[in-house]
Amino acid sequence: GQQVMQIPQYQHVQEGEDFTTYCNSSTTLSNIQWYKQRPGGHPVFLIQLVKSGEVKKQKRLTFQIGEAKKNSSLHITATQTTDVGTYFCAGRAGGYQKVTFGTGTKLQVIP
Amino acid sequence: KAGVTQTPRYLIKTRGQQVTLSCSPISGHRSVSWYQQTPGQGLQFLFEYFSETQRNKGNFPGRFSGRQFSNSRSEMNVSTLELGDSALYLCASSFIAGPESTIYFGEGSWLTVV
Repeated sequence: GQQVMQIPQYQHVQEGEDFTTYCNSSTTLSNIQWYKQRPGGHPVFLIQLVKSGEVKKQKRLTFQIGEAKKNSSLHITATQTTDVGTYFCAGRAGGYQKVTFGTGTKLQVIP
Repeated sequence: KAGVTQTPRYLIKTRGQQVTLSCSPISGHRSVSWYQQTPGQGLQFLFEYFSETQRNKGNFPGRFSGRQFSNSRSEMNVSTLELGDSALYLCASSFIAGPESTIYFGEGSWLTVV
């Protein structure tokens, strides 16, 4: 079945350092969505990438999807303590296939 | 407008019992999906409903079931509870079902099986 892996599993960074998490799917996805889950909270939608090679920015966050739509990345510039949480990518293989979430990357920011 | 509402928020059950969790989607949303989240397995898809029809089902045993009502509210049931069923159960809703639908999660129901 479809698998979506994320690396790294955990990342500790000093506040102000950059952070990147990578998402890799075993199959081509119709789109990739990114979610953030704060400790004790629920996942919150961040962004959706649909077109091959698409790059989107949200303030300090940059999201990319690969040309084959099998991988994606989330880059945070100059991390802040408010960035702490687990970042998940998610996608569907196509049509009305079920959503598969990535394994998640837990980010810890050291002040 | 109100977000996705899940009840109960916290519950403790004994092995062998059954449990029913409820989810009220965002007004106007017709698609509801359920996920199980555990530290070891991450976010696992349970099922997805659209207009009262189950569209997709995850790889969970038959003890896990769900349904959606005509007002889009949904319930999931777990029978013959096992210790391993202890988890956060998340409900999510979206306006449509499909690749480009944005999913909005509820705060979840924390189930502990003892």
